[in-house]
Amino acid sequence: EAGVAQSPRYKIIEKRQSVAFWCNPISGHATLYWYQQILGQGPKLLIQFQNNGVVDDSQLPKDRFSAERLKGVDSTLKIQPAKLEDSAVYLCASSLGQLDTIYFGEGSWLTVV
Amino acid sequence: AQSVTQPDIHITVSEGASLELRCNYSYGATPYLFWYVQSPGQGLQLLLKYFSGDTLVQGIKGFEAEFKRSQSSFNLRKPSVHWSDAAEYFCAVGDTGRRALTFGSGTRLQVQP
Repeated sequence: EAGVAQSPRYKIIEKRQSVAFWCNPISGHATLYWYQQILGQGPKLLIQFQNNGVVDDSQLPKDRFSAERLKGVDSTLKIQPAKLEDSAVYLCASSLGQLDTIYFGEGSWLTVV
Repeated sequence: AQSVTQPDIHITVSEGASLELRCNYSYGATPYLFWYVQSPGQGLQLLLKYFSGDTLVQGIKGFEAEFKRSQSSFNLRKPSVHWSDAAEYFCAVGDTGRRALTFGSGTRLQVQP
């Protein structure tokens, strides 16, 4: 079974530029998550989707971050404009539903210089 | 709000020695508890989870964890550590309301030959 796919794996951009990350969850998984993991810290939830609806985006910095999950499958996370403190690994994860095992992708590493 | 504390940032053990990683949580109701492992450059892999029932939970790779409500703890244990266990370990708590996980800051395990 294919896991959670993310791209690009690595990205280096200058501050104030924009970047987009793509995620393809495990087939059939209704719930999709984006987490931000800053070096030395645990992952922090940015946004959670149930199908194509947003369940929780309370920790998403909406002035610069946006995410969508059109058609309830793939998802895109965008940062515009990027700040130095956005340097982190962006982890996409999916699960069948509430309280089911959450499977994580390998992450997209962002460095903002 | 729920939270997780992992008091040990870094632990070094000898190969073959026993291991215990500490995790304390804060949550008002019965928590859903998880342990994940993250190898360098990889996503997170679920080791085990506790929802209800037997407070001693068995996981993959020979790991187990014990839920102690009176101590608000969910410590991870392994009787004999292997060099391949060197990684970062994250404890997480979930609830039915938010339906997403809150992670601790992680414990980095180093295994000496």
